[in-house]
Amino acid sequence: GQQLNQSPQSMFIQEGEDVSMNCTSSSIFNTWLWYKQDPGEGPVLLIALYKAGELTSNGRLTAQFGITRKDSFLNISASIPSDVGIYFCAGYTTSGTYKYIFGTGTRLKVLA
Amino acid sequence: GAVVSQHPSWVICKSGTSVKIECRSLDFQATTMFWYRQFPKQSLMLMATSNEGSKATYEQGVEKDKFLINHASLTLSTLTVTSAHPEDSSFYICSARDLAGARETQYFGPGTRLLVL
Repeated sequence: GQQLNQSPQSMFIQEGEDVSMNCTSSSIFNTWLWYKQDPGEGPVLLIALYKAGELTSNGRLTAQFGITRKDSFLNISASIPSDVGIYFCAGYTTSGTYKYIFGTGTRLKVLA
Repeated sequence: GAVVSQHPSWVICKSGTSVKIECRSLDFQATTMFWYRQFPKQSLMLMATSNEGSKATYEQGVEKDKFLINHASLTLSTLTVTSAHPEDSSFYICSARDLAGARETQYFGPGTRLLVL
């Protein structure tokens, strides 16, 4: 099925560093959602974005809905060991079928 | 955030048997639920969209007779893997679409790990 391009695919960082990841699409989306998935569990919603240009924070997390509506980024500031996991973006489109398209995921590992 | 539960959390079955997985939205009503499959170290693959009171919409390549979906109420959708085979072993995750306040959000269940022997 269709997937969004998410980068980087994986990253190792030192505790305390900031992290940035992004998601790009060839299609326009109405909504961007960012999730974190821990091993063996379902994804947990981190941030939801509904308007082009919107910038939203959730604690140390900040995400933005790209102005072209074809991309979004997620920043994590001052990373801690529990930030380890896989981060997925998801775009929701109302053109054609109503469904979510997921990114390929960014695997984050934090070195203490 | 809204809570979605899944049951069972894991199941082991013999080849040829059928397995039913339940997905419930606990504190909101969901006219639409989604079923995903996830292979190790991969992203989520949408299998089907489950609509309350109507037939599910299956993604290309997903056998509807193999993966039966029923969305009998606004809080419950079930996925039945019929005549399961080892290649059906996977992590199955459901999600529910929440339209509270007219803002589109999707919440996931904790997933069900299926192992077919």
